[in-house]
Amino acid sequence: DAGVTQSPTHLIKTRGQHVTLRCSPISGHKSVSWYQQVLGQGPQFIFQYYEKEERGRGNFPDRFSARQFPNYSSELNVNALLLGDSALYLCASSFGYGTTYEQYFGPGTRLTVT
Amino acid sequence: QQQVKQSPQSLIVQKGGISIINCAYENTAFDYFPWYQQFPGKGPALLIAIRPDVSEKKEGRFTISFNKSAKQFSLHIMDSQPGDSATYFCAATGANNLFFGTGTRLTVIP
Repeated sequence: DAGVTQSPTHLIKTRGQHVTLRCSPISGHKSVSWYQQVLGQGPQFIFQYYEKEERGRGNFPDRFSARQFPNYSSELNVNALLLGDSALYLCASSFGYGTTYEQYFGPGTRLTVT
Repeated sequence: QQQVKQSPQSLIVQKGGISIINCAYENTAFDYFPWYQQFPGKGPALLIAIRPDVSEKKEGRFTISFNKSAKQFSLHIMDSQPGDSATYFCAATGANNLFFGTGTRLTVIP
């Protein structure tokens, strides 16, 4: 079975630009979460979506937004990019939402802002 | 504020030795404590997890020890192998959020 897939793998953007990252969950999984992992740090929670509704939000500015589609895939959008947004963006999927469900991570999208 | 504190930052162990990584937390509302293994260029992969009502869980060479009163938990890797060389993250879940530690880079020397 295919795991969580993310696209693109790598991305280079300029400060002030906008970026869209995409995630396809494991088949049958209805929840998608997004994390930001800065080099040398643990992942930081950004959003969780379940059944197309936002179920959780981390401590990130409004420049970050996301949505989930009827097929449970998801997009993460970041506006007005800053140098500090350079990171590995991880998507994780789970069957349900809540602490009882295990999350499975994709390989991530490496975003570099110059 | 770091919700889960992890140590050491890096660890070097001889092949066959025991690797020990420690974590501590403050929020008693956390209800699930997973450990993740991450190889370069990959996303974190769930290794083993424990609930706070259990003091120890073992899966193969990996064991979690959990001390609820001290709000501490640790990962022990027995008979460490070069293939175990990776970054390990402890984590804690609560309020539909997954909080990660800062990671431990483990190097197992052949």
